[in-house]
Amino acid sequence: DTEVTQTPKHLVMGMTNKKSLKCEQHMGHRAMYWYKQKAKKPPELMFVYSYEKLSINESVPSRFSPECPNSSLLNLHLHALQPEDSALYLCASSQDGRVSGYTFGSGTRLTVV
Amino acid sequence: AQSVTQPDIHITVSEGASLELRCNYSYGATPYLFWYVQSPGQGLQLLLKYFSGDTLVQGIKGFEAEFKRSQSSFNLRKPSVHWSDAAEYFCAAVWLQGAQKLVFGQGTRLTINP
Repeated sequence: DTEVTQTPKHLVMGMTNKKSLKCEQHMGHRAMYWYKQKAKKPPELMFVYSYEKLSINESVPSRFSPECPNSSLLNLHLHALQPEDSALYLCASSQDGRVSGYTFGSGTRLTVV
Repeated sequence: AQSVTQPDIHITVSEGASLELRCNYSYGATPYLFWYVQSPGQGLQLLLKYFSGDTLVQGIKGFEAEFKRSQSSFNLRKPSVHWSDAAEYFCAAVWLQGAQKLVFGQGTRLTINP
């Protein structure tokens, strides 16, 4: 298995809703990442988990809450989002982020109404 | 600061023509370098990567890239493009120094004329 799987592929949520994005990989990678990508822009790093511990938080608002239940799973919990949070959310994993490169999932297209 | 620059926001080439997408990095030490491709609404797919050794790197889908230390460049090339190559291309780098985060260029959108 050489893939990163993200669910759901599309999500529409209201500003008062609570929802979660899920990411899964079975490549034995020990680093996992959440990125946010707006249209016509490169991905922006949000969070990094290394060996299931949060190692980098790029000053992301607390309405985004990451969770890494085990080495294969990464969640992003969403609460009280704003319309400007609408974007493509990408998950990635790497064995060694420098040498092997990152494997990206197909993303979740999030729309906040 | 560590940065990656893709000077061309949008490039249009005819099907069958050759392609070169430019990428430059800043910050003295040589980083690990990558090229990714993204089709509309999709995730990023790794085309190729460079760490050391042979400066001409072969990737998937017929792409290659050449690392030139003197120019701090890592340009992507393809001898003959296909309509299916239309996509967004991102150059990215990771440095051993600092936070070791993947730094992306702004991307180059490739349009193919029939």
